[in-house]
Amino acid sequence: AQTVTQSQPEMSVQEAETVTLSCTYDTSENNYYLFWYKQPPSRQMILVIRQEAYKQQNATENRFSVNFQKAAKSFSLKISDSQLGDTAMYFCAFMKSSLYGGSQGNLIFGKGTKLSVKP
Amino acid sequence: DTEVTQTPKHLVMGMTNKKSLKCEQHMGHRAMYWYKQKAKKPPELMFVYSYEKLSINESVPSRFSPECPNSSLLNLHLHALQPEDSALYLCASSQESEGMMNTEAFFGQGTRLTVV
Repeated sequence: AQTVTQSQPEMSVQEAETVTLSCTYDTSENNYYLFWYKQPPSRQMILVIRQEAYKQQNATENRFSVNFQKAAKSFSLKISDSQLGDTAMYFCAFMKSSLYGGSQGNLIFGKGTKLSVKP
Repeated sequence: DTEVTQTPKHLVMGMTNKKSLKCEQHMGHRAMYWYKQKAKKPPELMFVYSYEKLSINESVPSRFSPECPNSSLLNLHLHALQPEDSALYLCASSQESEGMMNTEAFFGQGTRLTVV
């Protein structure tokens, strides 16, 4: 069974600064995806960034980047130039992947990190 | 269109009521999911439908009854719920086809359910 661990229940950062959210996971799968989802008070679960396990290069999306360490099973999220709109709950999530379908798309979430960006 | 639409956004129901939550997507996704999310907790998987067939039921009580009438729609029928069933119910969909990788799940805004 897969597990996802986020060890930081809450974090805060000053506007325009950089913050890193931690995530570790455990799996015996070889093919999988890792995600960071953001859930603001509006409650919509929004995909922030995605990493394919077979790719060594770390994913980046504008101000968001990850540090993916496959051997260590670590997947941290770095937010640069933090903005007030980044205030939200951030969930790290794991998804098995298969070329043959089979309903592998269900997500396993960590407990979340509540990020507050302060002006 | 990358939207998953859920209705209603809010629902208050009594313990003897019957109600339904609806979810719709037009992205051609063949996998659809119901998640339950309690306050300050991560979403927990309830059901997975693959090609309109129930493929995963995470030991959910029978007072929750899912239905997938077609590839775009997913319902969750509610009957005789308990106050502890009050939560945010999230629907999601993902690509699911042979020869193609699932890449991500798209979520709706959720239905905030209160059982009184």
